[in-house]
Amino acid sequence: QQQVKQSPQSLIVQKGGISIINCAYENTAFDYFPWYQQFPGKGPALLIAIRPDVSEKKEGRFTISFNKSAKQFSLHIMDSQPGDSATYFCAASTARGYSTLTFGKGTMLLVSP
Amino acid sequence: GAGVSQSPSNKVTEKGKDVELRCDPISGHTALYWYRQRLGQGLEFLIYFQGNSAPDKSGLPSDRFSAERTGESVSTLTIQRTQQEDSAVYLCASRKTGGYNTGELFFGEGSRLTVL
Repeated sequence: QQQVKQSPQSLIVQKGGISIINCAYENTAFDYFPWYQQFPGKGPALLIAIRPDVSEKKEGRFTISFNKSAKQFSLHIMDSQPGDSATYFCAASTARGYSTLTFGKGTMLLVSP
Repeated sequence: GAGVSQSPSNKVTEKGKDVELRCDPISGHTALYWYRQRLGQGLEFLIYFQGNSAPDKSGLPSDRFSAERTGESVSTLTIQRTQQEDSAVYLCASRKTGGYNTGELFFGEGSRLTVL
């Protein structure tokens, strides 16, 4: 019930391409879905987050698509750049209290020049 | 700086020794979390402190792990009788609570623990 499944485990995209990372969850009580970006040797940092009252949220080149009925959400990175190469984690929690974020296992993205 | 500070950044220890990891959260952040990140794995929740409430210890993997927090400041994570499977990066995060709260966790750079 607490698990968040993330795929793919790794992804190679050419510069300018679209990177797509998918996550699925089981716990219907989850209502807060953030994505974190982690560079080597650094802690994760919040990239973008969505609540289930909207189906899409866009910030610059980053878009979250959310499908409540399928219990899935995804991150799209448009016009991917080498500087986007990092590990991306999806996560979920109940917004009430935000007590514990459950993270996916991460996707290592490499954007080739 | 104004971010979450963790120390030591690297710790190498021998199996069976005790280790202490320290986290200094962002000032004013009442919520504090410890996560464990094994190589190539996701972030595994360990423990959560929120103000003066009893901590949520549900993620601690064994009784060799414990954590303390003094008020709303520094936290220490202690691992007793370390085992090789404890080798990981231990990440601390803090979060602002009350008022307008986005739920964002601010992570430190982690303490990399290697147990030989």
